[in-house]
Amino acid sequence: ETGVTQTPRHLVMGMTNKKSLKCEQHLGHNAMYWYKQSAKKPLELMFVYNFKEQTENNSVPSRFSPECPNSSHLFLHLHTLQPEDSALYLCASSQDSGGRARNEQFFGPGTRLTVL
Amino acid sequence: KQEVTQIPAALSVPEGENLVLNCSFTDSAIYNLQWFRQDPGKGLTSLLLIQSSQREQTSGRLNASLDKSSGRSTLYIAASQPGDSATYLCAVTTGGGNKLTFGTGTQLKVEL
Repeated sequence: ETGVTQTPRHLVMGMTNKKSLKCEQHLGHNAMYWYKQSAKKPLELMFVYNFKEQTENNSVPSRFSPECPNSSHLFLHLHTLQPEDSALYLCASSQDSGGRARNEQFFGPGTRLTVL
Repeated sequence: KQEVTQIPAALSVPEGENLVLNCSFTDSAIYNLQWFRQDPGKGLTSLLLIQSSQREQTSGRLNASLDKSSGRSTLYIAASQPGDSATYLCAVTTGGGNKLTFGTGTQLKVEL
């Protein structure tokens, strides 16, 4: 149990559907992240939130829309996805002190997304 | 742009063997380096975090070293067990913000 939970664990959706992924961290952290893991490719950072403010958007298409209502919850809203968006979507959190020493990131179990 | 490479891509060893996994990165201006373990279809479990000012970290049978100037890190696993079978990922934090750049991982299989 890592302290970071994600729901749903598996999701199958059509290209015209709208769905949302949810992440919750129980570690009291102030930073949250979305990553995408595709087959045979390194994990890619998608979004970073610090104190509920988005500080990083790694050139992610607008069909992915993040939302961070508070420092414990992070959502990823999905609409009109493509089959190539099928991947494992991982959420992480950390306590970002803002100094030179960057702190350990803790990951959730991921949501396995399949787009038909 | 930071690039992280892990060698070998896959490794199969008999139980009890000591082994070394390698990670290299192109930009030595890192804040820290983190080793993770990922079981099939699962999320990542953090194993060790080495800050840029440190040379190594140890946790149980695991020892990670960091040579920042040469852009290298190694993960040493002593007395390997079948339960160690997993994919091991190396990631570095570079630049502003707490952004991790990952390697593609080493898939380890420890056989009885």
